Amino acid sequence: QQQVKQSPQSLIVQKGGIPIINCAYENTAFDYFPWYQQFPGKGPALLIAIRPDVSEKKEGRFTISFNKSAKQFSLHIMDSQPGDSATYFCAASRTAGNMLTFGGGTRLMVKP
Amino acid sequence: DTGVSQNPRHKITKRGQNVTFRCDPISEHNRLYWYRQTLGQGPEFLTYFQNEAQLEKSRLLSDRFSAERPKGSFSTLEIQRTEQGDSAMYLCASSLSGGNEQFFGPGTRLTVL
Repeated sequence: QQQVKQSPQSLIVQKGGIPIINCAYENTAFDYFPWYQQFPGKGPALLIAIRPDVSEKKEGRFTISFNKSAKQFSLHIMDSQPGDSATYFCAASRTAGNMLTFGGGTRLMVKP
Repeated sequence: DTGVSQNPRHKITKRGQNVTFRCDPISEHNRLYWYRQTLGQGPEFLTYFQNEAQLEKSRLLSDRFSAERPKGSFSTLEIQRTEQGDSAMYLCASSLSGGNEQFFGPGTRLTVL
């Protein structure tokens, strides 16, 4: 199976809150897990990515937590800002070939 | 601008017409990918090239779709006899072989009337 399941579909938080977006995958051959941010009318932009040899990665206000045994990973956005309002996609790929399998997306709204 | 570029940005066509999109990857990237994104969904992989060789095609890519990358630089995606179900955003991405990071272009939005 190549599916990546993402939840929730939409999320509303207040400024300064910590939205959490979750993803689950089935294919144990996946070894690269990126998160993309997409604004309306734009292509997805890479935010942060993790490999299964670490359980957490942090870049600025964005943190990925990875649970290899559960085949789950999540994105946390610290101190969220209205400018973070966008659609977020998790994805997964194998190093060989690299084609990305995307989750369904989470539309995040950060209220001022 | 040294990012991935796509042209046209928008295309409106009538059902049954042929359309062609172009993607110019980041100059040193030898891998090029095409994805399709429908409204409210994540992008779905269509096909990818390593230099000029087309290495993999998704089952989503029907016989009406063809992609080329003749000199290993820019790529074209052609859809023949368009159908209303082809309406979507067509995204191109590029990467270095051996590296996982894919950089996406702004996409071409196709509307089939």
